[in-house]
Amino acid sequence: GAVVSQHPSWVICKSGTSVKIECRSLDFQATTMFWYRQFPKQSLMLMATSNEGSKATYEQGVEKDKFLINHASLTLSTLTVTSAHPEDSSFYICSARPSSGGTEAFFGQGTRLTVV
Amino acid sequence: AQRVTQPEKLLSVFKGAPVELKCNYSYSGSPELFWYVQYSRQRLQLLLRHISRESIKGFTADLNKGETSFHLKKPFAQEEDSAMYYCALDRGSTLGRLYFGRGTQLTVWP
Repeated sequence: GAVVSQHPSWVICKSGTSVKIECRSLDFQATTMFWYRQFPKQSLMLMATSNEGSKATYEQGVEKDKFLINHASLTLSTLTVTSAHPEDSSFYICSARPSSGGTEAFFGQGTRLTVV
Repeated sequence: AQRVTQPEKLLSVFKGAPVELKCNYSYSGSPELFWYVQYSRQRLQLLLRHISRESIKGFTADLNKGETSFHLKKPFAQEEDSAMYYCALDRGSTLGRLYFGRGTQLTVWP
């Protein structure tokens, strides 16, 4: 099956610093990737759609200057949390849909971000 | 706007009992509905999608457009079915862009 990998799996950073999370599709190309945020014991909230070669599309209420998304290649999207604060601590999950077709999106294992 | 509602946060049944996880949605267009499952310490994975009308691991789900529901059912629950189940909606405008319900934690007791 299609594999999506996130790196790192967990990260701790100091308040005010920026942290980058990578999402890679290992065995397929993905024109479109998606970023979600999951609070403890809550559902996944769609943050943004990452489009290869163009700007990301953010969901209403998501700060684009806070959560920078770059999709530089067909297998890599990055999410950078800028000037992180403790309230940004969360579980961030990405998914990718193969460019070859189909409606199924494959999920990464998630990244646990803790801002101290 | 779209909304996916899973009324039960927790659901417990005994092994061999039938189980139904409820999902209701609201969206003015023609969405595609999915059930995703997350086993303990594993990533989210697709269980069912309404367009395929298939049965996976004994689970089925029928899309009822009149009631805007997509309930997940299994006639005889197994202990290995214990997991978090998420109902998700794709509006169809950007395939793979999913809106999730809050999830139902299913526990199957021996």
